[in-house]
Amino acid sequence: QSALTQPASVSGSPGQSITISCTGTSSDVGSYNLVSWYQQHPGKAPKLMIYEVSKRPSGVSNRFSGSKSGNTASLTISGLQAEDEADYYCCSYAGSSTFPLVFGTGTKVTVL
Amino acid sequence: QVQLQESGPGLVKPSQTLSLTCTVSGGSISSGSYYWSWIRQPAGKGLEWIGRIYTSGSTNYNPSLKSRVTISVDTSKNQFSLKLSSVTAADTAVYYCARLGIQLYYFDYWGQGTLVTVSS
Repeated sequence: QSALTQPASVSGSPGQSITISCTGTSSDVGSYNLVSWYQQHPGKAPKLMIYEVSKRPSGVSNRFSGSKSGNTASLTISGLQAEDEADYYCCSYAGSSTFPLVFGTGTKVTVL
Repeated sequence: QVQLQESGPGLVKPSQTLSLTCTVSGGSISSGSYYWSWIRQPAGKGLEWIGRIYTSGSTNYNPSLKSRVTISVDTSKNQFSLKLSSVTAADTAVYYCARLGIQLYYFDYWGQGTLVTVSS
């Protein structure tokens, strides 16, 4: 399994919206609505932000939203805030019982 | 509230075996709804899934590590463990344990992570 492709960095000003893409293949992202997104601040464990492409866990701000089109999933952060500056990783089910998961390469979000 | 906590040596010599344990609290590791996973992250790099175990002891491993990895579970202690043999400097990383939904394949709870350095 190859890692899902994410842009290395995305930046935006406070209040703006940004979108992070996560490109896979027809064997993973394209075949299953089982994409999740994680936020990771420096020195901290990843935190679940989105699951099943677009669902938010309890407690996650509604400024975070997810979507998918074909082999590409996306995470949108609206009303960007300073606390959103972090690394973001996507993850997809890959359909194999022996190797079921693949992570994205990660995106550094910078709030200007 | 489910909590996971990694424990184990922070320094391992090359060619030796890395051993870590994840203790789960606030929930039973015997729940049939979850897998229990290990993930690692070298400094400045991305996340790498190492493998998973079900309460029955059934395991799956990342093919790139499969020959060196063993994950086991001790339901009596509500713990699961990772062993990685023949380590090299390339295995230096922060190691996380996490809970993985069995149907929906997302990691909802993570340990804080533990840094393991491979060095003589």
